[in-house]
Amino acid sequence: QQQVKQSPQSLIVQKGGISIINCAYENTAFDYFPWYQQFPGKGPALLIAIRPDVSEKKEGRFTISFNKSAKQFSLHIMDSQPGDSATYFCAASDGRLIFGTGTRLQVFP
Amino acid sequence: DAGVIQSPRHEVTEMGQEVTLRCKPISGHNSLFWYRQTMMRGLELLIYFNNNVPIDDSGMPEDRFSAKMPNASFSTLKIQPSEPRDSAVYFCASSLSAGSTGELFFGEGSRLTVL
Repeated sequence: QQQVKQSPQSLIVQKGGISIINCAYENTAFDYFPWYQQFPGKGPALLIAIRPDVSEKKEGRFTISFNKSAKQFSLHIMDSQPGDSATYFCAASDGRLIFGTGTRLQVFP
Repeated sequence: DAGVIQSPRHEVTEMGQEVTLRCKPISGHNSLFWYRQTMMRGLELLIYFNNNVPIDDSGMPEDRFSAKMPNASFSTLKIQPSEPRDSAVYFCASSLSAGSTGELFFGEGSRLTVL
């Protein structure tokens, strides 16, 4: 049973474009929603996180949008760059951090 | 400042052998997590410790897997006997806060191949 559903599985974006990754959850006990970025051969690293008392959080080119009633949240990467090419994981925590299945993003120049 | 340190980085072993993976968390962090990553199942939480005490081991796949944290600076994940389906990258992560509602810092992983 997948507690955090993530889509798409892969994404190809041109440099300068917007990358959008979506996640959905069922467990209303989740109270912390981070996004992690993973490069090949490395461990995941925290990119940005949000708590359910806000609907949006922005850090530079990265924005999380959170819809509590729909139990969905998304990551938007503005002005996508080739260096953003990585695998992105959404996650949710109720004390245990549960990861989505990941989205492989490729940004072409 | 050293991050989470895992060893070995790569391990190739034969089915039936014992495998021990090691982790040194970031000094001062109170929580430690073991995850397994595969293409099919993604990142799965195996077990986590808070102040060296196992809190949730519901993700440990079966009795062949065991984890210990004898002190605040060291943890092991043991598989005995190993099987080919255990082949994966095993990550250790640590966190300053209790549970996982704060930032997790991951090591670079131990890639296990069981032949």
